[in-house]
Amino acid sequence: GAVVSQHPSRVICKSGTSVKIECRSLDFQATTMFWYRQFPKKSLMLMATSNEGSKATYEQGVEKDKFLINHASLTLSTLTVTSAHPEDSSFYICSARGTGPRETQYFGPGTRLLVL
Amino acid sequence: AQSVTQPDIHITVSEGASLELRCNYSYGATPYLFWYVQSPGQGLQLLLKYFSGDTLVQGIKGFEAEFKRSQSSFNLRKPSVHWSDAAEYFCAVGAARSGGYNKLIFGAGTRLAVHP
Repeated sequence: GAVVSQHPSRVICKSGTSVKIECRSLDFQATTMFWYRQFPKKSLMLMATSNEGSKATYEQGVEKDKFLINHASLTLSTLTVTSAHPEDSSFYICSARGTGPRETQYFGPGTRLLVL
Repeated sequence: AQSVTQPDIHITVSEGASLELRCNYSYGATPYLFWYVQSPGQGLQLLLKYFSGDTLVQGIKGFEAEFKRSQSSFNLRKPSVHWSDAAEYFCAVGAARSGGYNKLIFGAGTRLAVHP
């Protein structure tokens, strides 16, 4: 299957700083990318959907000013956690899919964020 | 609203035994259904998917799933489990969009442990 990478795989930052996480589709063009958050021993919670060249669509309850999403190209989306706080510590996972409405979503390996 | 229920949080089986992981969904129209597996340190991998047609779906790694509309179920099965199958398994339903699906809604997951 197609490959999606995330960078960094883990990051530790101080409270109040911003952290950027990259999601790349390595061998296909991703018109749509998704960002999820996964709490320990919990399921994946969709945070937002981004289409290349458009503003992201955020799920209810997700602060768009805190979680900035940019999808500037067909192979790259970024999630920036602004003014991070300890409660933002989590596992963030991205997924990407191609152009067709029945395309499979391919998932990245995830990024572990720890805010001290 | 769409939802996915995985009744079993944790299942333990012996190596070589058969396996069935349960998944029930709530959805008004014909659903797009998926099973993903998540191993530690790795991204979610698609095991199989159901869009239409034959209700018994074959996937990778010897897994299969059966769509039963009358029971709103999409249970995952494997006739003989291997130690390497120990992982977290997620059932998901795709929210419909024109001609296909958009975002995925995940169940809480079932953690599978395999005894030697």
